Parts: sequence; structure tokens; C-alpha cells
Amino acid sequence: QSALTQPASVSGSPGQSITIPCTGTSSDVGGYNFVSWYQHHPGKAPKLMIYDVTIRPSGVSNRFSGSKSGNTASLTISGLQAEDEADYYCCSYTPGSTVFGGGTKLSVL
Amino acid sequence: QLQLQESGPGLVKPSETLSLTCLVSGGSISRGRYYWGWIRQPPGKGLEWIGSIFYSGNTYYNPSLKSRVTISVDTSKNQFSLRLSSMTAADTAVYFCAREEMAETYFDYWGQGTLVTVSS
Repeated sequence: QSALTQPASVSGSPGQSITIPCTGTSSDVGGYNFVSWYQHHPGKAPKLMIYDVTIRPSGVSNRFSGSKSGNTASLTISGLQAEDEADYYCCSYTPGSTVFGGGTKLSVL
Repeated sequence: QLQLQESGPGLVKPSETLSLTCLVSGGSISRGRYYWGWIRQPPGKGLEWIGSIFYSGNTYYNPSLKSRVTISVDTSKNQFSLRLSSMTAADTAVYFCAREEMAETYFDYWGQGTLVTVSS
């Protein structure tokens, strides 16, 4: 299995919106609605931000949203805040396994 | 509030076997909806799923690591464990344990992670 493809980095200014794509195949992202997204501040535990492509867990800001088209899932963060600066990972079910993306470093300029 | 805590050696010699344990508190590991998983992050790299176990002992592993990985569970102690054999420098990483929702494959509770360095 190959890691899902994410851009190494994205950046935005406070208040702006950004989108992080996560590209897989029809065997993972495209074939199932089991895509999740994690926020990771180095040295801390990763935090679940989105699951089942679009669902936000309780307590996660509604500034975070997820979507999917074909083999590409996306995480959108609106109204960027300084505390959003972190690494973001997508993750997908694939039969008999689980695969993560390579991660995207979000910089809030 | 569910909490997970990894424990184990911070240093392992090449060719040796790594043993880590994840203690679960604030909830039962035997609750039927969840798998319990291990994920790692090599320095400067992304997350890699290692494998997961159900409280009954049913396991599934990353195909790329399957030949070297064993995950076990001890419901009496409310903990699960990872063994990774034939360690090399490439296995140096922060190892996380996490709870995995069974049907939808997402990890909703994570431990803080423990750094394991492979060096002689």
C-alpha cells in the first residue's frame, strides 16, 4: 500500500481559508467514505478533526470541514487562526488495512 | 475521560525486539465497538499505521510490517502491547497507541507517544 498524497506545506494569513487535498486511489479514498483528518502539534497527541469524510467530532470548531470528490479528499479550514498552525494528516480505510497521508505543514503567516 | 499511556524502553539495539505497552484508563478495552492500534512517526516524517487489535485478540497489520509485528491484548490489565522484531535504524520513531472506531476506521483517542531510538 502507498501513502496517500498530500502537499508538504500550505500557508495562509489569519482570517483566510485554506484547503489541504489528500489524493488516493479507488481502493482507499475513492472507494469508501472512511476518510479522517488529524491535527498534530509536535510533541503532542494527534487530534481527530474530521471522520467519515465530513463529520466533525464534538468539540471541534466548525471552521474545519471535510469533503471528497473522486479519489481526492479535502480538509478546509476557514477563518485561519494562529493556533491552527500544525501538521495535518489524512487517513483512509482500505480493505484489510489503514493508510495515512504524508502530512501537510500548515503555516499561519 | 479515556486516556492511553505508552510505556517501554527508549533505546533498542539493532536486531533486537521492541516491546511497548499501552495502558488504557477511564474505559474498558473490552468495549465491543473499538479496535486498539499502534501508529508511529519517524523523525521528520509522517504517520504510519502499524496494526490494530480487537479485545478478542483479532488483529490486522500493515502489510509492509506484518512479518515483524505482533500485537497482543491483556483485558485483565486493560492494556495492549506491541512487539516489533529485527529492529533497525529505520524503526526509530515516536510510537503512539490509539483507540480505533471499528467500523469506520478513525482514531479518536491517542496516547502522547513515546520515542524509541534504535542504536548500538
